[in-house]
Amino acid sequence: DIVMTQGVLPNPVPSGESASITCRSSKSLVYKDGKTYLNWFLQRPGQSPQLLTYWMSTRASGVSDRFSGSGSGTYFTLKISRVRAEDAGVYYCQQVREYPRTFGGGTKLELK
Amino acid sequence: EVQLVESGGGLVQPGRSMKLSCAASGFTFSNYGMAWVRQAPTKGLEWVATISYDGSSTYYRDSVKGRFTISRDNAKSTLYLQMNSLRSEDTATYYCTSSHYFDYWGQGVMVTVSS
Repeated sequence: DIVMTQGVLPNPVPSGESASITCRSSKSLVYKDGKTYLNWFLQRPGQSPQLLTYWMSTRASGVSDRFSGSGSGTYFTLKISRVRAEDAGVYYCQQVREYPRTFGGGTKLELK
Repeated sequence: EVQLVESGGGLVQPGRSMKLSCAASGFTFSNYGMAWVRQAPTKGLEWVATISYDGSSTYYRDSVKGRFTISRDNAKSTLYLQMNSLRSEDTATYYCTSSHYFDYWGQGVMVTVSS
């Protein structure tokens, strides 16, 4: 199975600042079509997860351009610019390169 | 508006069975692969199973293989998860989600396995 390992944020993050969340995979997530099969989600307290980006860097419909995904085949970053109160919650990376689909353990973002 | 509404959860004894349903609306259900993802209390997300748009292919995590069955009825726009031989470690909130981009999610349904 592909293991997804997420970093820890130095919480709390001051409102208006930027935050970068990291995720590492135990195997390259680049498929033969050239796409990188890595998703990012935000789960706000008491809510269902919300897709933020797919194919590593493509923002989902309706997602603010303050969220940007980047990375290589095994190391990924979700950058949140000008952090706001509604960005608080737990962020998860997920690989959809192969089965079983696997998630990272989550990274909590708290705001000051 | 896209809606995924799960039902069928509750308290069940270890070793017993339970069937979850997920009613979809607001999109062409029969065009989408679908999945179940679960989350144990205070824990992270865990993929459980996926079914292709036409039901011809299914995939499971090892810990539920042989015990859980994912299925769908495209005429009813409904996804199912039949869970047999339930264990305490299956206790979680179960989410129904679209499996291609995981872009649509239900509100989740709680399953508690306990005697």
